Amino acid sequence: NAGVTQTPKFQVLKTGQSMTLQCAQDMNHNSMYWYRQDPGMGLRLIYYSASEGTTDKGEVPNGYNVSRLNKREFSLRLESAAPSQTSVYFCASSDEETGRRSGNTIYFGEGSWLTVV
Amino acid sequence: AQSVTQLDSQVPVFEEAPVELRCNYSSSVSVYLFWYVQYPNQGLQLLLKYLSGSTLVESINGFEAEFNKSQTSFHLRKPSVHISDTAEYFCAVTPLRGATNKLIFGTGTLLAVQP
Repeated sequence: NAGVTQTPKFQVLKTGQSMTLQCAQDMNHNSMYWYRQDPGMGLRLIYYSASEGTTDKGEVPNGYNVSRLNKREFSLRLESAAPSQTSVYFCASSDEETGRRSGNTIYFGEGSWLTVV
Repeated sequence: AQSVTQLDSQVPVFEEAPVELRCNYSSSVSVYLFWYVQYPNQGLQLLLKYLSGSTLVESINGFEAEFNKSQTSFHLRKPSVHISDTAEYFCAVTPLRGATNKLIFGTGTLLAVQP
């Protein structure tokens, strides 16, 4: 039962460097998300994708780009990392088709700890 | 737009004591309500959810939450906590219709169970 898998788990970047966080889900879910978690602020939505080929901004999209490569994979890219992007990043997925009947249960990956120095 | 308020950032409690974690929400439309739990260095897991029907919902590990529409609250309770319940708990909402794929989280409450 892999569920939602994200890599890398830990990364240290220098200011200005770029990197991509990878995420894949094996539950055949339509919707995928990227959240960031910061102390005292809970989880904030960066971007989401309601289906393959579509992406939309969340609460805090600035400084990030995303790609929904196929139904399974949803990547998050930092083009020029800044210290303010030091955070824990979570990828998640949900099944929008059944969501309206059963509530939108979102399944999370284990997180990626990113430090920008 | 929806918002979620968890007033308590940390709740210390002794083992076997009861606990209540508070959650209030604001929304102009009807919502689904959720509690997620995050154990140290892990992702979030769904604990329980309220969709409709009975206002009292229960989880498999003894937690329960009651939806109170008049007070716009969804407080989480457990009559007797264990050390293993130490974790961060997040309340979340999503609208019944429209943008159902956008889950809005509270800032979290750290439940610290002491022996």
